[in-house]
Amino acid sequence: EAGVAQSPRYKIIEKRQSVAFWCNPISGHATLYWYQQILGQGPKLLIQFQNNGVVDDSQLPKDRFSAERLKGVDSTLKIQPAKLEDSAVYLCASSVRGTIYNEQFFGPGTRLTVL
Amino acid sequence: AQTVTQSQPEMSVQEAETVTLSCTYDTSESDYYLFWYKQPPSRQMILVIRQEAYKQQNATENRFSVNFQKAAKSFSLKISDSQLGDAAMYFCAYRSDNTNAGKSTFGDGTTLTVKP
Repeated sequence: EAGVAQSPRYKIIEKRQSVAFWCNPISGHATLYWYQQILGQGPKLLIQFQNNGVVDDSQLPKDRFSAERLKGVDSTLKIQPAKLEDSAVYLCASSVRGTIYNEQFFGPGTRLTVL
Repeated sequence: AQTVTQSQPEMSVQEAETVTLSCTYDTSESDYYLFWYKQPPSRQMILVIRQEAYKQQNATENRFSVNFQKAAKSFSLKISDSQLGDAAMYFCAYRSDNTNAGKSTFGDGTTLTVKP
């Protein structure tokens, strides 16, 4: 079974530029998560999708971050414009469903550096 | 809001020895799940072990076991017979059914070093 795929693995941009990350979850997983992991901290949920609908985006900075999951499979996370404090690893995860007990499978992450 | 605290930023253990990583959490809910995740350098985060709050028996997965103290809101991870491959960042996480059941709240992690 293929795992969660993410690209790119690394990205360096200057502040005020735009950037997009892509995630392909495990086949058949209805729930997809985007987490932000700042160096030295634990992951923080940015947005959660159930199929192509948003379940939770309460911690997504909507003035600059956007995400979509067209057709309920792949997802993209965009930052426009980027700030220095957006430097972090962006983790994508998926699970069969978004229940309390379903295991979440994580991708390798995209490490973003904003200069 | 639920919070998860890992008070040990770094821990080290000798190969084949036992180490315990600490985690405390704050919640007013009675039904929840707790998790330990392992994040090796530059590799995917993987689930190590999980504990349902309604279960009194501590979870065990091979060399990994937990000490779950619900009243004290404590959830420590014990790694027995430590191996070099256990070196990683370990995260404690909390999940409840209160609002978004899929949302995990993570601690800030403990970096475990295994010395040969």
